[in-house]
Formats: sequence, C-alpha cells, structure tokens
Amino acid sequence: DTAVSQTPKYLVTQMGNDKSIKCEQNLGHDTMYWYKQDSKKFLKIMFSYNNKELIINETVPNRFSPKSPDKAHLNLHINSLELGDSAVYFCASSQDSGASYNEQFFGPGTRLTVL
Amino acid sequence: QKEVEQNSGPLSVPEGAIASLNCTYSDRVSQSFFWYRQYSGKSPELIMSIYSNGDKEDGRFTAQLNKASQYVSLLIRDSQPSDSATYLCAVTGTGANNLFFGTGTRLTVIP
Repeated sequence: DTAVSQTPKYLVTQMGNDKSIKCEQNLGHDTMYWYKQDSKKFLKIMFSYNNKELIINETVPNRFSPKSPDKAHLNLHINSLELGDSAVYFCASSQDSGASYNEQFFGPGTRLTVL
Repeated sequence: QKEVEQNSGPLSVPEGAIASLNCTYSDRVSQSFFWYRQYSGKSPELIMSIYSNGDKEDGRFTAQLNKASQYVSLLIRDSQPSDSATYLCAVTGTGANNLFFGTGTRLTVIP
C-alpha cells in the first residue's frame, strides 16, 4: 500500500548510457514531480506534471525527459549520463486543492551513481 | 531560483529540551510553507504545513509564520533522540506547483 513508489532503488551505470527511473503514486493526486538531491543534500525541483501536462522545467538539461503515461505515473528518462548526474532522485505527488495546498509526498528515492 | 535560507547546523539539544529551527525566504508572494523531516538515507516526510501568520501546533511541533518578516520557524518541544534528522523548510513560489527547499538543518538530540 505504498503511496509513492520508485524503481529502481539503486542504479549504477557508466557514463554515456541511457537510463530510466519509474514512479507511481496510488494517492489519486493531480500532480507529480521529480527532484534531484545532490551530495550536499540540496533538494531541487526538476519537473512537475499536472494532468499529463508539463508545468515546470527548472533549467534542467534536455538530456532529462519526463514521461507520463497516465496520471498515476511519471517516469524520468536520462540520456547520455554524465558524472554530475550522480545524485538521489525523488519522485513526489500532491493534490493541489483545498486545505492541502501543495503538500507533497515523496517516494523512497533512487540513488543514481554514474561511473 | 527562489532563496530559502536555513542554518545548516548541526544543532544539538539535550533530550527533553526545545529545539528551534529557523528559515527565511526571499519571495514575498510565497503562500504556503512546509517543514519536512529527512532521516539519513530516507525520503523527506511532511511534518507541518502553515499558510497564515501566527502559530500552528501539532503535538510536540509548532510552526510559526511571519510573512512581514519572511520568516518561518519550527519548534520541537520535549525533543527525543528519534527527532534527530535533517529538517527541510520549503516554500511555494509564484506558481501553484513551485516548491523551493532550503538546504536543511541537521538536528541531533542527545540522550
């Protein structure tokens, strides 16, 4: 009954490879997000999707592309991986209405290591 | 990038004491404010949200918001060793879904 789930939990890969991280939420939320947390623990938003429409893209390189097949899923594809992409990637979701305005709930994270 | 500033700590308090965590933000149009707790190796967990000036209490936690001073704080009463974690302040920006995080304050509660 996990609310926000991500796979894989760990991902180790070589520079130049292409990889994907999957995210699913069973909360019925309207919006999903991807965050990157670097080695200094700074959590920065990358993307959000609302009703299958991208509404934020915070100067993320175009090697990163979110894909949302439906409201409950937001996958992250990364092309031509670089060393600097190593980080923990968190998926989150929120129901943006009423008293719970933008309260975001996070998945367990995917630790990406690029060698 | 909106600025959300927190003292990175570490902040150490003895068990049973009050821990006070502070956060300032630069965007005057911010409307929603959140405190997340993140244990080492885990994901951020929402512990408090506050939307209007004043205090909001939930158990041992009290969030305080002062929009005029662009300041939000979190008080943890009767601190427990299990409260040891990094506390992240987050505020919304001009867009409905923009949420900006501070770098977090690492709290250690000493038994």
